[in-house]
Amino acid sequence: GAVVSQHPSRVICKSGTSVKIECRSLDFQATTMFWYRQFPKQSLMLMATSNEGSKATYEQGVEKDKFLINHASLTLSTLTVTSAHPEDSSFYICSARVQGNVGEETQYFGPGTRLLVL
Amino acid sequence: LAKTTQPISMDSYEGQEVNITCSHNNIATNDYITWYQQFPSQGPRFIIQGYKTKVTNEVASLFIPADRKSSTLSLPRVSLSDTAVYYCLVGDMNRGSTLGRLYFGRGTQLTVWP
Repeated sequence: GAVVSQHPSRVICKSGTSVKIECRSLDFQATTMFWYRQFPKQSLMLMATSNEGSKATYEQGVEKDKFLINHASLTLSTLTVTSAHPEDSSFYICSARVQGNVGEETQYFGPGTRLLVL
Repeated sequence: LAKTTQPISMDSYEGQEVNITCSHNNIATNDYITWYQQFPSQGPRFIIQGYKTKVTNEVASLFIPADRKSSTLSLPRVSLSDTAVYYCLVGDMNRGSTLGRLYFGRGTQLTVWP
């Protein structure tokens, strides 16, 4: 399957600082990437759709000014958590769609980034 | 909002076949059915995807009845390492679709015992 990477794998920051998380498609180009957040013992929650060369589309309830998304190339999307607070501590996971052979696409996920805000 | 319903948990023993059924009564014509496996503190891992009938790969089979309102993931001869959460999702995975957002439900916690 296609490989999606994330960096860093874990980060600890102080409250009020900003943190950038990178999501890369390693062996394919991705015009569309997705960002999810997962709290302990819960399922993944879709935050936003990242579109290469255009603005991201945010899900209802997700603050676009707090979670800045940039998709400047076909292999890289970044999520910046601005002015992070302890309640932003979570597991952030990105994904990307890959074209298959028949006509459908498949979504592959990165390994996730553990964010801890002190 | 998740468009699927799955059992919250299932138990099995090593070497047995496990079948996890997912309900998606409101599946749309363009929707595909995709299953993922997730271990703690890892991103979901793709297992299998299908549109209708039966799909098989090296790790699992996916059975989809004609009405497509449900699907069954079949894991042959599970081992302890198959203990994980399994998610069933439906979404428009057609090439170039801008509607292909996948919304996760609670998933099924499969526990395999020795």
